[in-house]
Amino acid sequence: NAGVTQTPKFQVLKTGQSMTLQCAQDMNHEYMSWYRQDPGMGLRLIHYSVGAGITDQGEVPNGYNVSRSTTEDFPLRLLSAAPSQTSVYFCASSYESGTANEKLFFGSGTQLSVL
Amino acid sequence: DAKTTQPTSMDCAEGRAANLPCNHSTISGNEYVYWYRQIHSQGPQYIIHGLKNNETNEMASLIITEDRKSSTLILPHATLRDTAVYYCIVRAPAGSGNTGKLIFGQGTTLQVKP
Repeated sequence: NAGVTQTPKFQVLKTGQSMTLQCAQDMNHEYMSWYRQDPGMGLRLIHYSVGAGITDQGEVPNGYNVSRSTTEDFPLRLLSAAPSQTSVYFCASSYESGTANEKLFFGSGTQLSVL
Repeated sequence: DAKTTQPTSMDCAEGRAANLPCNHSTISGNEYVYWYRQIHSQGPQYIIHGLKNNETNEMASLIITEDRKSSTLILPHATLRDTAVYYCIVRAPAGSGNTGKLIFGQGTTLQVKP
């Protein structure tokens, strides 16, 4: 199994540009989420989804959109990139969402720079 | 979800046990303790979790005090590949007003030295 796959691994954008970070998982997990990681800030939850067609906001959702049309895919869209969105982005998925046995599986990350 | 307090950094000699503490004095009765780690430039990796009993798996052991106000993650024979940031997270399952999301703090940077 490939697990959680994120693309691209690196991306440079100019301020105001839009782009989509891709995330796909092949484990048939219902729960998927996006985190960003900044130096000294730990990981912060952006958006999450508990199943196809269902999404909700996390701690830092402003400037990002998500959709979940299939179980496998959970893309993260930056509508108008800003330098403050320079970060490393991680996608995660899990089975048994919200139960005591929940375990998150993370992708390898996308390093985004906004100039 | 209860907040956690971890030391910022720790060192451990290769081959020795690494004991990583975590304080969670405001933990509620239905909240679990989870441990994840993040090796440099990689995504976080699940290690172990528990409610009140001690737990052990192929990666580590988790010791939770009887009052549940603190816990210790034990890596029995640390190797250089265990050098990473270790996150202690406390959260309740969904159905307790929690939708299954994890809140990561700053974690403990463990440096395993030869």
